[in-house]
Amino acid sequence: DTEVTQTPKHLVMGMTNKKSLKCEQHMGHRAMYWYKQKAKKPPELMFVYSYEKLSINESVPSRFSPECPNSSLLNLHLHALQPEDSALYLCASSQEAALAGGPNEQFFGPGTRLTVL
Amino acid sequence: AQSVTQLGSHVSVSEGALVLLRCNYSSSVPPYLFWYVQYPNQGLQLLLKYTSAATLVKGINGFEAEFKKSETSFHLTKPSAHMSDAAEYFCAVSAGSSGNKLVFGAGTILRVKS
Repeated sequence: DTEVTQTPKHLVMGMTNKKSLKCEQHMGHRAMYWYKQKAKKPPELMFVYSYEKLSINESVPSRFSPECPNSSLLNLHLHALQPEDSALYLCASSQEAALAGGPNEQFFGPGTRLTVL
Repeated sequence: AQSVTQLGSHVSVSEGALVLLRCNYSSSVPPYLFWYVQYPNQGLQLLLKYTSAATLVKGINGFEAEFKKSETSFHLTKPSAHMSDAAEYFCAVSAGSSGNKLVFGAGTILRVKS
C-alpha cells in the first residue's frame, strides 16, 4: 500500500464548530506532516511528527491542534477557526531515512478542502 | 538554509511541443531535489527525484530533469506535451539540515494548447 488517505474530502464548518481532519498511511513511514495550501500557492508546512512525537510546529495558531495516536494515523483538530483558515489541508508522510538526513521524499494525500463560514 | 526559485509562474505550450519548466536552488550542503505535480483539487504527486546518483533523472509520464551543480539548476523537461500534462508543478529541495524540511518553490502552472 503506497497511499496516504485523508478524510473527509470536503468540510464546511462555522467559526464556533469543532471538527477533525484524519490522515492514514500504511507504508511504515515514521514521519508525518500537515500542510496548509492556499490557492495558487505552494504548501506551507504546519506540523511534523517524528516517531509519533511532535518535532516541528511552524508557529501555528492554537486553534489547530495536531495529534498522532499511532504510527499510521495523524489527526488535525480544529476549533474556533477563522474564514482565512479556509484552504486545502494536505497530509504527507516520509520514510525513516528522511529523519536521519536522507532524501525527504514525501508522499501526499489528496487533501481536505476546508471552508470556514 | 535552502531555497528554490521557479522561473515563470505560468508556462504555455502547444500540444506536442517541448515542455521546459525552470528551477534553481540554493543550498549550503548537497541537496536532494524533487519535482511534484498537482492537478486541480488534488494532492501532490512525485514526478521524479535527484538523490546524488545520476545527474539525469527520469520520472513518470515521460518527464526528466537534469541536475547541474555549476548552474544550481534542476530544470524539468518533456519532449512532447500532452493535454493531460496541464497542471501545477512544484520544485522542492531538502538538504538534511534545518530539520530536513521540504522547501517548495512558488510553483509553475503549465497550460497546454491544442
